Amino acid sequence: GAVVSQHPSRVICKSGTSVKIECRSLDFQATTMFWYRQFPKKSLMLMATSNEGSKATYEQGVEKDKFLINHASLTLSTLTVTSAHPEDSSFYICSASRGGRTGELFFGEGSRLTVL
Amino acid sequence: DAKTTQPPSMDCAEGRAANLPCNHSTISGNEYVYWYRQIHSQGPQYIIHGLKNNETNEMASLIITEDRKSSTLILPHATLRDTAVYYCIVINTDKLIFGTGTRLQVFP
Repeated sequence: GAVVSQHPSRVICKSGTSVKIECRSLDFQATTMFWYRQFPKKSLMLMATSNEGSKATYEQGVEKDKFLINHASLTLSTLTVTSAHPEDSSFYICSASRGGRTGELFFGEGSRLTVL
Repeated sequence: DAKTTQPPSMDCAEGRAANLPCNHSTISGNEYVYWYRQIHSQGPQYIIHGLKNNETNEMASLIITEDRKSSTLILPHATLRDTAVYYCIVINTDKLIFGTGTRLQVFP
């Protein structure tokens, strides 16, 4: 089946620094990727929709200058958490559509960010 | 907002069928019912989807009522590895909005 990989799986950083999380579709081209965040024991919250070659579309309440998304190629999207603070600590998950059945998305393993 | 309602938790004995209900009374004619699950600290995994007809694959069966206002995901022989949060999602695009899901605990 289709594989989506995220890197790093875990990252710890100091307050004020920026962290980049990569999402790669390993065996298919993904014109659209989605970024979610998840707090402990909570559901996934959609942050933004990332389209190759264009600006990401952010959900209401998500700061675009805080969470920079770049989708430079059909197999790679990146999420950069800028000037991270402890409240940004969360589980970040990406998903990708390979343009098949609507709604059938492939998810990465997730990246756990801890900001000290 | 999610358009579905699911019980917050369910238990199931190993080897028995797990029947997970989902209410989607406001579903539109062109919206599909999708089921995903998330095992602890992993990304969600696609299980099955349907529009009107009942569906079956190697993982599960999906029963959709005739009026499409509710559905049931059936894991025919639950195993301990099926312990996860199960999400029922109603969509007609790739933009998945997750509700709170059902936390299924399979016990020995």
